[in-house]
Amino acid sequence: EVQLLESGGGLVQPGGSLRLSCAASGFTFSSYAMSWVRQAPGKGLEWVSAISGSGGSTYYADSVKGRFTISRDNSKNTLYLQMNSLRAEDTAVYYCAKELRSIAAAGTWDYWGQGTLVTVSS
Amino acid sequence: DIQMTQSPSSLSASVGDRVTITCQASQDISNYLNWYQQKPGKAPKLLIYDASNLETGVPSRFSGSGSGTDFTFTISSLQPEDIATYYCQQYDNLPRTFGQGTKVEIK
Repeated sequence: EVQLLESGGGLVQPGGSLRLSCAASGFTFSSYAMSWVRQAPGKGLEWVSAISGSGGSTYYADSVKGRFTISRDNSKNTLYLQMNSLRAEDTAVYYCAKELRSIAAAGTWDYWGQGTLVTVSS
Repeated sequence: DIQMTQSPSSLSASVGDRVTITCQASQDISNYLNWYQQKPGKAPKLLIYDASNLETGVPSRFSGSGSGTDFTFTISSLQPEDIATYYCQQYDNLPRTFGQGTKVEIK
């Protein structure tokens, strides 16, 4: 059974940093691209970042480019999102999501974690 | 960025009704479109991929159609457990973008 378990969320002050983790199990982690998708309170879904199965290719939304870094450790079956220079508008539930078909970041997600809440506030 | 426009933003229908949601892309995205269901407090769930392919395990009352810029999502017979917000999402271009969502309620 595929499972994705996010952790690392919490309350952080503006300008601060946080690292999210997503522990994966139930599939060959290195064979699938992964993404982070966020949802601000009461709002819609926003794609944040993606990484290929090998970790060699990464992609970012303009809203987080230069501040967030996606990475993965295939030996630990874990996906990460390092978030720096956090802003109030980064407040959201952050979901990790598994690519449906591909080692490349094609953009269709068949499994999602339960989400971790990041709150940026002073 | 490709803008995805869903309509309506919300709807209320009776159990057993046919429900239709439309999604329009700001440019041609071929069939690179997905539909997700999200229930309150839960993660999104993939229902339809490639505009019309039903994800494994998803009931056949859900369907999708369309290509290019205009897409339709249909629930053939609304059930109480279908109460949720539905999102379309394009994956033709980066950044991946979602529609604003359609909230489906029972009348």
